[in-house]
Amino acid sequence: SSELTQDPAVSVALGQTVRITCQGDSLTTNYASWYQQKPGQAPVLVIFGKNNRPSGIPDRFSGSTSGNTASLTITGTQAEDEADYYCNCRDSSGGVWVFGGGTRLTVL
Amino acid sequence: QVQLVQSGAEVKKPGASVKVSCKASGFIFTNHWMHWVRQAPGQGLEWMGVINPRGDVTMYAQKFQDRFTMTRDTSTSTVYMEVSSLRSEDTAVYYCARDNSVITTGASWWWFDTWGQGTLVTVST
Repeated sequence: SSELTQDPAVSVALGQTVRITCQGDSLTTNYASWYQQKPGQAPVLVIFGKNNRPSGIPDRFSGSTSGNTASLTITGTQAEDEADYYCNCRDSSGGVWVFGGGTRLTVL
Repeated sequence: QVQLVQSGAEVKKPGASVKVSCKASGFIFTNHWMHWVRQAPGQGLEWMGVINPRGDVTMYAQKFQDRFTMTRDTSTSTVYMEVSSLRSEDTAVYYCARDNSVITTGASWWWFDTWGQGTLVTVST
């Protein structure tokens, strides 16, 4: 199966750490990439590969994978991190790509 | 700088067709596969398909195998997504995105490092 499952919503207190997870069979073979999307804007890449950040992405964003679960961790969450987060991965057979359903992060 | 600039918003009637363009600049266009992603109002991101650098190989998500056609013009560094027989449920923002990848004998990974600004297609009578 190429489906990726994310929790629909997560909340975190300002300055605290939050983990957003993404589950799927393809994650046992391929690494996920993670995208941040704010209202009315195009998605922005925040994490790719084992744990790589594009230039310009703060180091409070990190990624990890264990088994069939990929995680995006934000350490010291800031108000500007409030957004929707999507994971993406290619399926294990090297065919199609798929996005998770997205997680809405609320910063309290 | 690396940039993808998409065509402007479209309003179409049901049954019509639309062709969205995505013009690349700031990088070697023929070095990258290009993806299309759709986002219906208030919904999540949906991967639609990908086209190879030469434009002779395409791959679509099952949902987008009919009525959707990706093409690319290397002479103008532009990729296109055409949708035919439009339905109200095709109302969405359509994004193009540049592909990058690392493929090893162990794990592999792909990522979309640059996105177009999005094109809103509205299908309405």
